[in-house]
Amino acid sequence: TQTVSQSDAHVTVFEGDSVELRCNYSYGGSIYLSWYIQHHGHGLQFLLKYYSGNPVVQGVNGFEAEFSKSDSSFHLRKASVHWSDSAVYFCAVPNSNNRIFFGDGTQLVVKP
Amino acid sequence: GGIITQTPKFLIGQEGQKLTLKCQQNFNHDTMYWYRQDSGKGLRLIYYSITENDLQKGDLSEGYDASREKKSSFSLTVTSAQKNEMAVFLCASSIRGGALEQYFGPGTRLTVL
Repeated sequence: TQTVSQSDAHVTVFEGDSVELRCNYSYGGSIYLSWYIQHHGHGLQFLLKYYSGNPVVQGVNGFEAEFSKSDSSFHLRKASVHWSDSAVYFCAVPNSNNRIFFGDGTQLVVKP
Repeated sequence: GGIITQTPKFLIGQEGQKLTLKCQQNFNHDTMYWYRQDSGKGLRLIYYSITENDLQKGDLSEGYDASREKKSSFSLTVTSAQKNEMAVFLCASSIRGGALEQYFGPGTRLTVL
């Protein structure tokens, strides 16, 4: 069974700063990973996924993530955050074709 | 594009009561999921349905039943509501074999008195 861990429960940055949210996975064969965002009071919204090929994956709203087999990581980055990026971010890995395992989430707070 | 709707948005019940949450999607997705999210925590899978006539237990199925009435709808029943299961229940859908990319509804917040 594959799992992910998100080491930072909370990250606080200022508007315009760059940010990196960390995700590490446990190895279990083929590696596929995704990131989701959850704004307060809403459901999760899919951001991006790594399936194969280019290890840097582009998502919506300027987010990107880089897959690293050597580090067992799939960190999410954004070059310049906006206040509207304040949300909880979840990393996820499939543990079969039909279900996925979510990390505990990282709360991102963007201060003006 | 498509949308997932969940009804009701807020559900208040008494301890021991049987309660039903409903989910509809118009993505034409084969697979649907029910998750529970406790306050400030991650998601735990309760039930999922790979195709219209399928039902699979997740990690948290005890105390819940589910029903896939048709391709577009998936219901969750709390068989006997308990105060320690106050949470937000999230429904999601995906293409078959596409669990990595799921689309979520807005959630139903359950309060048990």
